[in-house]
Amino acid sequence: SYELTQPPSVSVSPGQTARITCSGDALPKKYVYWYQQKSGQAPVLVIFEDSNRPSGIIERLSGSTSGTMATLTISGAQVEDEADYYCYSRDSSGNPYWVFGGGTKLTVL
Amino acid sequence: QVQLVQSGGEVKKPGASVKVSCKASGYTFTSYSITWVRQAPGQGLEWMGWISVYNGNTNYAQKLQDRVTMTTDISTSTAYMELRSLRSDDTAVYYCARNPSTDDSSGYLGYWGQGTLVTVSS
Repeated sequence: SYELTQPPSVSVSPGQTARITCSGDALPKKYVYWYQQKSGQAPVLVIFEDSNRPSGIIERLSGSTSGTMATLTISGAQVEDEADYYCYSRDSSGNPYWVFGGGTKLTVL
Repeated sequence: QVQLVQSGGEVKKPGASVKVSCKASGYTFTSYSITWVRQAPGQGLEWMGWISVYNGNTNYAQKLQDRVTMTTDISTSTAYMELRSLRSDDTAVYYCARNPSTDDSSGYLGYWGQGTLVTVSS
């Protein structure tokens, strides 16, 4: 079955740039979406179709892709950015299934 | 404003079934589809499947295909997810989310329900 691979954790100091990666064989052909989930809350969409921000999402969050890897970048990370981040995309091998990455816990301290 | 309000938590015994509801308001129910996602305690998000409110088409995760049914009731703007033959590893928070595509081609889940905790325990 198709998998998206993320690092379990990323840690940065306030004001530094955090980068969360997501790798998957189908990413050159399929869009990736990024969701932020804070403790005890429902997920929130922060990036759609690789690099687009929904309205209301802070500008320091950005997305990019290169080959089989997508990256969520948080520029000048703040304590309030601490959350779990999930990438989300679709298998391209003919299976119509969607998949979440395992999630990355971002710590800002 | 767009809202998805889910039913309350449930406690079920192994082998039983559960049906979680997701009542939509603030938009035209038939113009969007619904995706269901679950999250086991302390674990990541898991895509369960999708249903088109417009035509009832569904797409289920392979591991759940034999046990899950997603439906909608247009008259009450409510989506339902039924999971049968419950096991302990089905214990999770279940979320519904609004999906803008009519053919399950989008991962844009812009609005989510508050989640429903289903506990499976003997």
